[in-house]
Amino acid sequence: QVHLQESGPGLVTPSETLSLNCTVSGASISANYWSWIRQPAGKRLEWIGRIFSDGTLNYNPSLQSRVTMSMDTSRSQVSLKLSSVTAADTAIYYCAITTWGNWFDPWGQGVLVTVSS
Amino acid sequence: EIVLTQSPDFQSVTPKEKVTITCRASQTLGTSLHWYQQRPGQSPRIIIRYASQSISGVPSRFSGSGSGTDFTLTINSLEPEDAAAYYCHQSAIFPYTFGQGTKLELK
Repeated sequence: QVHLQESGPGLVTPSETLSLNCTVSGASISANYWSWIRQPAGKRLEWIGRIFSDGTLNYNPSLQSRVTMSMDTSRSQVSLKLSSVTAADTAIYYCAITTWGNWFDPWGQGVLVTVSS
Repeated sequence: EIVLTQSPDFQSVTPKEKVTITCRASQTLGTSLHWYQQRPGQSPRIIIRYASQSISGVPSRFSGSGSGTDFTLTINSLEPEDAAAYYCHQSAIFPYTFGQGTKLELK
């Protein structure tokens, strides 16, 4: 059974860098695209970007200047860094497998990140 | 980017009711439109892929239709556990985008 678990600080100071990990079990990290998606309270879901093990990266242009995704196959982890955060980056952050047909399945349970001083 | 607009934003529902949710895209998608259910406190889960294709393990009362710019999610004979938020998602063009969501609440 595939399981994705997001982890990272729940509180980030404005202007700092948000760093999250997604640890994968039950699926090959090298054989899938991995996406990060966020959900601000009361707002629609926002796709942040995706990564594949061959180095392929696709970022949402709205966040591209601040986003970095990476992969550690030895740890079965996918990572997200978002720099220069503001209160607008407060959200639940999810990692998910981007399937061959480009829908998301499954999703991790999500991690709430609050940007505040 | 492609904007997805769902209707309605909110609906009060009763068990056994037939529910229809629509999703309209600002550009044509073909059938690259997917539907998710998000129960309170849970992550979204896929319930319909490519506009009308069913997903293993999802009850058959969920169905989808449409192509191009207009899509519909139908729940036949709603069950209490279907009270949730529903989101459409397009994968035709980067960046992937989502609708604003439709919340179904039990009366």
